[in-house]
Amino acid sequence: DTEVTQTPKHLVMGMTNKKSLKCEQHMGHRAMYWYKQKAKKPPELMFVYSYEKLSINESVPSRFSPECPNSSLLNLHLHALQPEDSALYLCASSLDIFSYNEQFFGPGTRLTVL
Amino acid sequence: AQTVTQSQPEMSVQEAETVTLSCTYDTSESDYYLFWYKQPPSRQMILVIRQEAYKQQNATENRFSVNFQKAAKSFSLKISDSQLGDAAMYFCAYRSAWGDSGSRLTFGEGTQLTVNP
Repeated sequence: DTEVTQTPKHLVMGMTNKKSLKCEQHMGHRAMYWYKQKAKKPPELMFVYSYEKLSINESVPSRFSPECPNSSLLNLHLHALQPEDSALYLCASSLDIFSYNEQFFGPGTRLTVL
Repeated sequence: AQTVTQSQPEMSVQEAETVTLSCTYDTSESDYYLFWYKQPPSRQMILVIRQEAYKQQNATENRFSVNFQKAAKSFSLKISDSQLGDAAMYFCAYRSAWGDSGSRLTFGEGTQLTVNP
């Protein structure tokens, strides 16, 4: 299984809503990542988890709250988002963070904030 | 900080022809990795090819090959015998070999490749 899955595929939410994005992998990877991607732009790193611990937070606003409950699962909790947060949110995983190994990306969740 | 530059926002190629996508980068490090990722309209980013900076030999993967010029900090991607399925956004990316920086992929702005039948 060389797949990273993400749910939901699409999400529309109001600025007062609370929602969560989910990412799952069963490749035994110990590093997981959240990226934000605007249309026709490269992905921007948001968070990195290494062995279920937050390793990097790229100064992301607190309305985004990541969680890694186990080695296979990564969540991104959303609260009080702004319209400019509308984007494609990509999850990725790799064997670990200190390696040459490939980052495997999921298909993304298309988020629209109204 | 490292930067990656892709100077061609858009490229087009005829089916079965060859196309080269350009990428330059700026770094003070001697050990690093370089990648080309492809993102088709279906959105899923997939790795096309990778290169270790300490290897002089250019990486190849079937129809995809790179021209890695370390001194010039250049890393171009050549696609031979282009196919319709090659149409996608292509991102060049840099990853440090050391420390926390090794977990970061620094992407270029991307090149949108169109393949004409």
